[in-house]
Amino acid sequence: GAGVSQSPSNKVTEKGKDVELRCDPISGHTALYWYRQSLGQGLEFLIYFQGNSAPDKSGLPSDRFSAERTGGSVSTLTIQRTQQEDSAVYLCASSLVLRAADTQYFGPGTRLTVL
Amino acid sequence: AQSVTQLGSHVSVSEGALVLLRCNYSSSVPPYLFWYVQYPNQGLQLLLKYTSAATLVKGINGFEAEFKKSETSFHLTKPSAHMSDAAEYFCAVSEPGGYNKLIFGAGTRLAVHP
Repeated sequence: GAGVSQSPSNKVTEKGKDVELRCDPISGHTALYWYRQSLGQGLEFLIYFQGNSAPDKSGLPSDRFSAERTGGSVSTLTIQRTQQEDSAVYLCASSLVLRAADTQYFGPGTRLTVL
Repeated sequence: AQSVTQLGSHVSVSEGALVLLRCNYSSSVPPYLFWYVQYPNQGLQLLLKYTSAATLVKGINGFEAEFKKSETSFHLTKPSAHMSDAAEYFCAVSEPGGYNKLIFGAGTRLAVHP
């Protein structure tokens, strides 16, 4: 079956521009997660969704970052006024339910480069 | 706060040799433990996970890991390396009863040479 998909696969933008990153989870998965992978910070957890709700936004690096999920499916991570330190690979994952042992399936990521 | 330490950012082995990738966690309560593999320009793929059942966990591609509470370790092994095992490997933990937030180690890049 189809896995987690993300678009675009690569995004190059200029400092100060806004970007939107999209994640399509596996069909039927109620939980969705965003992570960031960068050379300096490794793999960092950003935010999770249970259905359309994101109860804890404390992992987002700054108030320039926001995320939403609609219809219990597609999620969008938005970065406003991008900075060079936002350059990273943004990974999305989904799991069947929101439970600590449930396997997270990862998408291929979006590589963001801020010039 | 939970943390994960992977000893050795780079490991190099010969084809056919034993693979041993080390992972230690810091938590007073045994967490759930995971090993993921990442091939170049791809996402993360689950190799295996420990969720408080058997302490010796077998995963895909011939990998296995053993949970040792006394050593707070979850090392990954494979008896005989293949060239196709060359990739980056990440150990991760999540807190039982939590919301499945994965905390990752820094990763170990495995090179396999002929």
